[in-house]
Amino acid sequence: GAVVSQHPSRVICKSGTSVKIECRSLDFQATTMFWYRQFPKKSLMLMATSNEGSKATYEQGVEKDKFLINHASLTLSTLTVTSAHPEDSSFYICSANGLAGSLETQYFGPGTRLLVL
Amino acid sequence: GESVGLHLPTLSVQEGDNSIINCAYSNSASDYFIWYKQESGKGPQFIIDIRSNMDKRQGQRVTVLLNKTVKHLSLQIAATQPGDSAVYFCAENMGSNYQLIWGAGTKLIIKP
Repeated sequence: GAVVSQHPSRVICKSGTSVKIECRSLDFQATTMFWYRQFPKKSLMLMATSNEGSKATYEQGVEKDKFLINHASLTLSTLTVTSAHPEDSSFYICSANGLAGSLETQYFGPGTRLLVL
Repeated sequence: GESVGLHLPTLSVQEGDNSIINCAYSNSASDYFIWYKQESGKGPQFIIDIRSNMDKRQGQRVTVLLNKTVKHLSLQIAATQPGDSAVYFCAENMGSNYQLIWGAGTKLIIKP
């Protein structure tokens, strides 16, 4: 139980294009989903927290117009990197918590490697 | 910012030996702690958790110890195997929105 998937797992795009990443909780309903960014050999950096049907709460320094988050249902959240630039290249990971375990436990997706050329 | 953990250290352990990974936290009001394992190129995987009303919890080959007096958390892995090679993160629950504060991580290397 408590499986979270992400799609795509890897994406390469040209500078200026937009990229959408999907995060799904497969076997539980996620009350809250989180989006993280991770640089090589570094810890996870929280970008935003989203609850189903509400606007996402972004962390300080994260541009909400740059990183669009939609949480349309209890099992799906999407992150769209708009007008991507090479500095947006990173490993993006989502997590979800909910009724799979304790409400504080986050279960993570496998991550999406984004490379912007 | 990171209020949990240290800058990423590396721990090398002989295969078959026990591993102890340490983590310090700063928020004395936190009441829930989790250890995650992250293999290269993958998302973090939940290992074990502990609440602040406990000082020890055991899982399969893993034990988490919590010392609230000195705000210290440790993960013990028994009979370390090659598959245990990964970066291990401690995380601390922060507030009612269920956000986690992350440690910097410890890279565990298994020597044959």
